[in-house]
Amino acid sequence: DQQVKQNSPSLSVQEGRISILNCDYTNSMFDYFLWYKKYPAEGPTFLISISSIKDKNEDGRFTVFLNKSAKHLSLHIVPSQPGDSAVYFCAASAGYGGSQGNLIFGKGTKLSVKP
Amino acid sequence: ETGVTQSPTHLIKTRGQQVTLRCSSQSGHNTVSWYQQALGQGPQFIFQYYREEENGRGNFPPRFSGLQFPNYSSELNVNALELDDSALYLCASSGRTGDPEAFFGQGTRLTVV
Repeated sequence: DQQVKQNSPSLSVQEGRISILNCDYTNSMFDYFLWYKKYPAEGPTFLISISSIKDKNEDGRFTVFLNKSAKHLSLHIVPSQPGDSAVYFCAASAGYGGSQGNLIFGKGTKLSVKP
Repeated sequence: ETGVTQSPTHLIKTRGQQVTLRCSSQSGHNTVSWYQQALGQGPQFIFQYYREEENGRGNFPPRFSGLQFPNYSSELNVNALELDDSALYLCASSGRTGDPEAFFGQGTRLTVV
């Protein structure tokens, strides 16, 4: 049973426009959420995170929104650039600050930003 | 500051064989986690090591085992390889146990034939 779901396998966006990547989760014990970006032949790169006590976190062109009641988070990239083309993984953790920091990942969304 | 490095980058093994994958954690990090990423899937947690002790394990059989050394580098060992073990194996390090912001290596691509 998938606890973290990314229902869109792919997304295509024009350069300069907004990219919105979505993620749903089922486990109410998750208290920390992260987004990773992955290029082919490389490991995932940490992008941005959000604690469950917040509903928004912003870092430059990247903003993550968390809706706890809907168990939904989204990553907004504005403006999108061709270099943003990659697979984006949503991940969740239950136990931030505790003894286990293992991450539960979604299957990923492949973002293509066209010039 | 050095990042997470894994070796080898690619490996081909025969079913039934054993394999050892290696990981050097990021400088200053004492927690190492291993993940398996099958084709078209997200990474799946195998286990985590903190100060040389296993500190959490995912849904993987005992033939997946690991070690962490005093310098916080780590090994993943897989015995009796099966075809379904073919995957990208990722090592991630973090500053302390419970710290969810993990930093990943480039991975080892294992192919079992």
